[in-house]
Amino acid sequence: QSVLTQPPSASGTPGQRVTISCSGSSSNVGRNTVDWYQQLPGTAPKLLIYNNNQRPSGVPDRFSGSKSGTSASLAISGLQSEDEADYYCAAWDDRLNGLFGTGTKVTVL
Amino acid sequence: QVQLQQWGAGLLQPSETLSLTCAVYGASFRGSYWSWIRQPPGEGLEWIGEAKHGGATKYTPSLESRVIISLDTSKNQVSLKLTSVSAADTAVYYCARLTWGWDAFDVWGQGTMVTVSS
Repeated sequence: QSVLTQPPSASGTPGQRVTISCSGSSSNVGRNTVDWYQQLPGTAPKLLIYNNNQRPSGVPDRFSGSKSGTSASLAISGLQSEDEADYYCAAWDDRLNGLFGTGTKVTVL
Repeated sequence: QVQLQQWGAGLLQPSETLSLTCAVYGASFRGSYWSWIRQPPGEGLEWIGEAKHGGATKYTPSLESRVIISLDTSKNQVSLKLTSVSAADTAVYYCARLTWGWDAFDVWGQGTMVTVSS
């Protein structure tokens, strides 16, 4: 059972802004950086955001990340149909064990 | 371009040992951690553990007694062994690279579905 809590679902119409939250604690999100992954159906996860708010080369700037205290957020601006996927946050705990969030399914209406 | 290609037995009986291999193309083992992550059908991701060049390893506490992750530098391969499997170990298993400094999994294998059933 994951200790990083995300809403199970989020949705929006094309062009809208969608935000996904990731709630942790002082021993994980509050202490270390947060990453975000996108998983399209039937595929391996893909890194979207690392170190709270950094985008790897090739990730559109529609995706942005932030962190405050023991919570983090992923925002998708200008939602597109190809953004329909599962999104996971991730962080390390104070014993350097990897943790993933519970996952959020984003639906484009 | 870094690529990870993985393979291994897809069907196991309870109590058997899961064994998967991940070949690394286009990258050295140095400067990265090499991890295994799994995802039960319809569920979320679970970090299993990691190994780095030089032999150091770390495993998630719930699996620590049953798992071994190792690097074969001569073949540029990462391996996962999980002993005494049960139906609860049924999942898609991914190998992934974590680059120092990023502290994130920036390259993933294609995934291998492993089913444990009698």
